[in-house]
Amino acid sequence: LAKTTQPISMDSYEGQEVNITCSHNNIATNDYITWYQQFPSQGPRFIIQGYKTKVTNEVASLFIPADRKSSTLSLPRVSLSDTAVYYCLVGGAGNMLTFGGGTRLMVKP
Amino acid sequence: DAGVIQSPRHEVTEMGQEVTLRCKPISGHNSLFWYRQTMMRGLELLIYFNNNVPIDDSGMPEDRFSAKMPNASFSTLKIQPSEPRDSAVYFCASRSGRTPSDTQYFGPGTRLTVL
Repeated sequence: LAKTTQPISMDSYEGQEVNITCSHNNIATNDYITWYQQFPSQGPRFIIQGYKTKVTNEVASLFIPADRKSSTLSLPRVSLSDTAVYYCLVGGAGNMLTFGGGTRLMVKP
Repeated sequence: DAGVIQSPRHEVTEMGQEVTLRCKPISGHNSLFWYRQTMMRGLELLIYFNNNVPIDDSGMPEDRFSAKMPNASFSTLKIQPSEPRDSAVYFCASRSGRTPSDTQYFGPGTRLTVL
């Protein structure tokens, strides 16, 4: 299973763009990169997934360089409600996903 | 779709008692996962079913823990006997498994407290 490394915590202010980078040096050819968000007392919630280059949805963007050894989750104009733990996972069909420690994002007013 | 359903949402029991947690996956999903989350250890995968068959239970802490999936719409995680160190939030997740990029959908969790 590919191991991921991401910052333990980050602080930001409302309205700013937040970028959280995840390292996954031993990603396999058929692995996808998936980001989850978890609020207190809730289960993790899918945010975005990608394989290479850039993916954008209504919530976030995901940037993946050509070597795929890292990825960056970009949250545009964060609000207080984006305060949560963000997990980066790497895996594919048939693979069990291993959750790391996640990045605790604190958005301040 | 109601999403993944877990019951009970909260469970308080005494050490030595049997505890059964229940999960109903999203209809049509063929993979089911049980996780445990604590402050100390984070989110840990306990066991993974595919088409109702346990594929990997290497994350199950010990023989006190057992999980079953008698059909595609129901799974249980049982702890017998329970101990205070089993106190945690237990999550169930399901996945359709039709394509390599399928993601997991998590239930709201069961908060277990063992006194």
